[in-house]
Amino acid sequence: EPEVTQTPSHQVTQMGQEVILRCVPISNHLYFYWYRQILGQKVEFLVSFYNNEISEKSEIFDDQFSVERPDGSNFTLKIRSTKLEDSAMYFCASSEILASTGELFFGEGSRLTVL
Amino acid sequence: GNSVTQMEGPVTLSEEAFLTINCTYTATGYPSLFWYVQYPGEGLQLLLKATKADDKGSNKGFEATYRKETTSFHLEKGSVQVSDSAVYFCALSAYDMRFGAGTRLTVKP
Repeated sequence: EPEVTQTPSHQVTQMGQEVILRCVPISNHLYFYWYRQILGQKVEFLVSFYNNEISEKSEIFDDQFSVERPDGSNFTLKIRSTKLEDSAMYFCASSEILASTGELFFGEGSRLTVL
Repeated sequence: GNSVTQMEGPVTLSEEAFLTINCTYTATGYPSLFWYVQYPGEGLQLLLKATKADDKGSNKGFEATYRKETTSFHLEKGSVQVSDSAVYFCALSAYDMRFGAGTRLTVKP
């Protein structure tokens, strides 16, 4: 069964360092998303991406965040200068059609720990 | 804006007990509603969904009915098992998906 894969599964970094989280969405999907979940808290929307551009972003997704689909298969989330409060589980998701009617398929997440 | 409010946890039940996890939503337009489940150490999996009013989503013995008049999508299961222990998220989707805070369910043998 096709699945969304994320790497790394766990990354530990120092505050102020840049981090890139990678995702390979399901191959025929057109819409891509990043969510984060701070430990024990709710799953928060970060950004959605369609047709090689951001379609929507939340207030959390500030200038330190960026997304890219560099090669037609990977979908990356970059955090330029990590802060302690960026420590969270980051989930990538993809969908074949717009989220309003379609199912989002989630990866297993990348746990980011900022020290 | 669109948002979801779900019952705070944690919820602890004995095996074969009846489960209800409440979820209400606020939205403009006609969103789709979902329940996702997160087992320990895993990502989010779709449990069930409903795309219009009065639709009932069901899967693995779980059910939820899209009630427009009460803006609710409560999750129910008649007889829970230990393997149902997980965190359950109610979600709403209009243009992108927004999640509730999650409800941790622990089922004891």
